[in-house]
Amino acid sequence: DTEVTQTPKHLVMGMTNKKSLKCEQHMGHRAMYWYKQKAKKPPELMFVYSYEKLSINESVPSRFSPECPNSSLLNLHLHALQPEDSALYLCASSQGDRRETQYFGPGTRLLVL
Amino acid sequence: DQQVKQNSPSLSVQEGRISILNCDYTNSMFDYFLWYKKYPAEGPTFLISISSIKDKNEDGRFTVFLNKSAKHLSLHIVPSQPGDSAVYFCAATVIQGAQKLVFGQGTRLTINP
Repeated sequence: DTEVTQTPKHLVMGMTNKKSLKCEQHMGHRAMYWYKQKAKKPPELMFVYSYEKLSINESVPSRFSPECPNSSLLNLHLHALQPEDSALYLCASSQGDRRETQYFGPGTRLLVL
Repeated sequence: DQQVKQNSPSLSVQEGRISILNCDYTNSMFDYFLWYKKYPAEGPTFLISISSIKDKNEDGRFTVFLNKSAKHLSLHIVPSQPGDSAVYFCAATVIQGAQKLVFGQGTRLTINP
């Protein structure tokens, strides 16, 4: 089983709203990732959690706030987003070792109005 | 600085023939390479990978070749099927605090009946 689940599938929010994206995996993976993907572009890494600790923040604006409550769950809290933040947000997980495959969830399609 | 490059934005192949997708990289620190397939508004699906200590890996219709001296890898799909029509991303891993996945720009493969 290589399933990563993400909720919601679609989200529309205003620039003053607060919302959260959720990601879950039950593969025993110790690393979890958030990516942002715009149309016709490759996924761009935002955050990496390794063993429930934030390991990488790719200079993401503070209006995006990640949280890893436990090794199976990853959240992305959104506040005061801009229309240019509209994108497909992807979660991924891996064993956390050097040569390991990352498995992706289906993504959340976010539209900021 | 684009460290992983897919120079062909699109490729069209007849059903039943071989599809060859190419990828070049510049960072010698990359040690694990992956190919993902992606449909619109979905997460990338892992296809096949290869470690830097190998030069070939095969899985059914998919074969990945790695030429380290040329910093080049390729994905061969044979025979090509209509369901293979998608965007294909080449990716490479590097450890910078945690495992990071660097993607190429993608190649849109169209299989014609």
